Amino acid sequence: DAGVIQSPRHEVTEMGQEVTLRCKPISGHNSLFWYRQTMMRGLELLIYFNNNVPIDDSGMPEDRFSAKMPNASFSTLKIQPSEPRDSAVYFCASTLTSGVPFTDTQYFGPGTRLTVL
Amino acid sequence: RKEVEQDPGPFNVPEGATVAFNCTYSNSASQSFFWYRQDCRKEPKLLMSVYSSGNEDGRFTAQLNRASQYISLLIRDSKLSDSATYLCVVNRGTYKYIFGTGTRLKVLA
Repeated sequence: DAGVIQSPRHEVTEMGQEVTLRCKPISGHNSLFWYRQTMMRGLELLIYFNNNVPIDDSGMPEDRFSAKMPNASFSTLKIQPSEPRDSAVYFCASTLTSGVPFTDTQYFGPGTRLTVL
Repeated sequence: RKEVEQDPGPFNVPEGATVAFNCTYSNSASQSFFWYRQDCRKEPKLLMSVYSSGNEDGRFTAQLNRASQYISLLIRDSKLSDSATYLCVVNRGTYKYIFGTGTRLKVLA
């Protein structure tokens, strides 16, 4: 079975450019999470989707960040314009929310390592 | 104070040793607890969920102490392949999984 797929795996861009990160969750999963990981702050939740609907985007740092999930098999995280402080690893994770909420395993994609110069 | 706190380590132990990590959480409403493993430059992967009675999976044992609000992970007979960062994860019964910043383990030959 294919796991969570993310692209690109690495992205190097210059300050001010638009960056789009992509995620394909595991088929059949109904919850999708975008996280950002840095050495200083660890894993931080950016946004959570349930059944393709954004439920909580309070972790999105600022208006430069936006996320969409147009269907159950695809999500994007966009940064426009990008800044050096956005450099981090961005993970997408999915899970199937079952009868006992939020005891479920989160499956992470391989991440996108973003460097903004 | 962070909601989930871990000793960052590193813990350097010889092969075959037993090593234990603790993780403390501040919110008494926390309901679900997990240990994830993250290898260098890889994604986190579930190692084990932590149940109230404690649970064991091979060389790994996880314990939950609700009164003192901590969970622990014990690794027996350490292998070189156990070298990784171990993330403590707590959930309050919502979609918010709170991750600790991890404890680094290095098993030495």
